[in-house]
Amino acid sequence: QVQLQQWGAGLLKPSETLSLTCAVYGGSFSDYYWSWIRQPPGKGLEWIGEINHSGSTNYNPSLKSRVTMSVDASKKQFSLKLRSVTAADTAVYFCTRERPITIIGRQEGGAFDIWGQGTMVTVSS
Amino acid sequence: LPVLTQPPSASALLGASIKLTCTLSSEHSTYTIEWYRQRPGRSPQYIMKIKSDGSHSKGDGIPDRFMGSSSGADRYLTLSNLQSDDEAEYHCGEGHKIDGQVGYVFGPGTKVTVL
Repeated sequence: QVQLQQWGAGLLKPSETLSLTCAVYGGSFSDYYWSWIRQPPGKGLEWIGEINHSGSTNYNPSLKSRVTMSVDASKKQFSLKLRSVTAADTAVYFCTRERPITIIGRQEGGAFDIWGQGTMVTVSS
Repeated sequence: LPVLTQPPSASALLGASIKLTCTLSSEHSTYTIEWYRQRPGRSPQYIMKIKSDGSHSKGDGIPDRFMGSSSGADRYLTLSNLQSDDEAEYHCGEGHKIDGQVGYVFGPGTKVTVL
């Protein structure tokens, strides 16, 4: 059974850098893209970006200038850094696996089928 | 970019059925979306992926009483025999590659209350 375990600092001051890491237990690491998604208190989900085992990334354009994702395939871990945080970055951050989905025998993109437990990150002076 | 719209809330009686709607922006009406359920204080759970023709693929362990369908720009998730455990926030989401740019967007979510 595949599990994602994430960790990182939960309290930051404005202008600091958010840093989170997610470890993959069980299953393949190289067959998937791995994403970060966040959820501000009482609000909806926002995709931050994704990375694969070789370090290929795609980022949300609205966050691209502040985001860096990295991967350590030997440890089956991937990480998120978000620079220059403000109160607007206060949210629960989730790491996820994106699994390719087949519908009636045809590849139809992916879905976030495994999620980490979430990390509440608060930005406050 | 695609925009997903969801009503903020919905409710139904225990044991009844409820139909949730996710509406795609008109110029993206043929896109495929996913449904996720998020119980209070928990991580989201993948329910299913639905195409514009209504064909769909469910996540592991999702019961038969969860059904998906489509009509035009609307994507539906119908929950039958509603259980107290179904009380949750339901999110729809859509992944795309437009002009070479990969992205993913979510709707605002619908909070389901079981009466």
